[in-house]
Parts: sequence; C-alpha cells; structure tokens
Amino acid sequence: GDSVTQMEGPVTLSEEAFLTINCTYTATGYPSLFWYVQYPGEGLQLLLKATKADDKGSNKGFEATYRKETTSFHLEKGSVQVSDSAVYFCALTDPRRGGSEKLVFGKGTKLTVNP
Amino acid sequence: NAGVTQTPKFQVLKTGQSMTLQCAQDMNHEYMSWYRQDPGMGLRLIHYSVGAGITDQGEVPNGYNVSRSTTEDFPLRLLSAAPSQTSVYFCASRGFSTDTQYFGPGTRLTVL
Repeated sequence: GDSVTQMEGPVTLSEEAFLTINCTYTATGYPSLFWYVQYPGEGLQLLLKATKADDKGSNKGFEATYRKETTSFHLEKGSVQVSDSAVYFCALTDPRRGGSEKLVFGKGTKLTVNP
Repeated sequence: NAGVTQTPKFQVLKTGQSMTLQCAQDMNHEYMSWYRQDPGMGLRLIHYSVGAGITDQGEVPNGYNVSRSTTEDFPLRLLSAAPSQTSVYFCASRGFSTDTQYFGPGTRLTVL
C-alpha cells in the first residue's frame, strides 16, 4: 500500500539556519503530496502541497518540490525562526483510489529552533 | 467561520466505559474523517464519511463506531473503552472540489 517515510527527529537548529526535512513516498498511483504543520497544543494545518510531478509548493518561506523520479517531497526553508518550532508531517493522498479523505501520513518530525 | 470544532478537549475514561467524541464543521464540507495520533506513529485514519448517511472504515476502525446524519456533524463513538485507545483524536473535513483537509484542535483521551 501507499506509505510515507520522513526523517527521524527531533531536529534542533539555531535561528536563521537552513532547514531540510526529507520525505519519500511509495505509491502505485499519482498521489498529491502535502506538508502539514502542528504547533504545540494545536491541530494540523496545511503548510503547502503539490499535485503533480515537478510542482513546487510554497508558503511562509517553506518550499517543497514534487520529484517523481526520486519519489521525494523534501521540505526546505532558507532561514528558520523560533516561531517555526513545531512538528512537521509529510502526507500523500491518491485521488484516484478512494478519495482525498484517505491521507497517509509520515510519523512526523519535531523541529525546535533556538534563539 | 469556526471551521472544524471538537469537544471535549480532554477526557479520562475507565476501561469499559463508553463515550462520544463530537466533531462539527461549518464549511458545508462533504467529506469528514477521524484520525488518531500516537507517538511515533503519525496520524492513522479511523473512519471517514463522503456525505450524510455514508461512512466507511479507515486503517484502524476496530473499537470505534461512526454515523453521519447531517453534513455538519460526525461523532465518533467508543462503545467499550480500552487502554489501547488512549490517544489524541483529530477530526478533519474537506470540500468536494479540493484535496485540502482542515483539522480540528483535537481531543486528548486517556483510558485507565
């Protein structure tokens, strides 16, 4: 079945450091790919998404590019802030197989940014 | 818009007790889902609904029941709680024309 693998955390960075969180996926169809963020004590919020190969999703300085050849969707940010401290989830859905309500999540990567 | 709301925020149950986790959305979304979040496991789909009167099982449905009598509400029932159901539960919804799900703030459930 479909699956998502993302880098183990936790990740600790200093403010203004470069961030990469790796995400690879396995899917037999043509999934849509997502990054969700969960701030402490809150629910998940969509950070960015990409729906087809070579699409780049971006939001709040974060970027991720849908790479079909490497089945990857790595999250990057050039300069992190303390307010970016959160848990980040990579996820996929295959709209052709049962609908987008069936999100498949990675295990999450906790990011802590120190001043 | 309130978005997706969940009640209660916290709940402690004893083994064998029953309860209902409430979820409501005011965005007129057709699709609604329940996930559970466990440490190191990410989120796993419990049940979902594609419209009023229609529900289906997700990845981990055992021990949970759902119904969808209205578009707005999608309650999750635990008929006989077990310690293995200790988790954080999230409800989500999305509209027919988008693949973006909107999540509620979660319910933290502890079963003793």
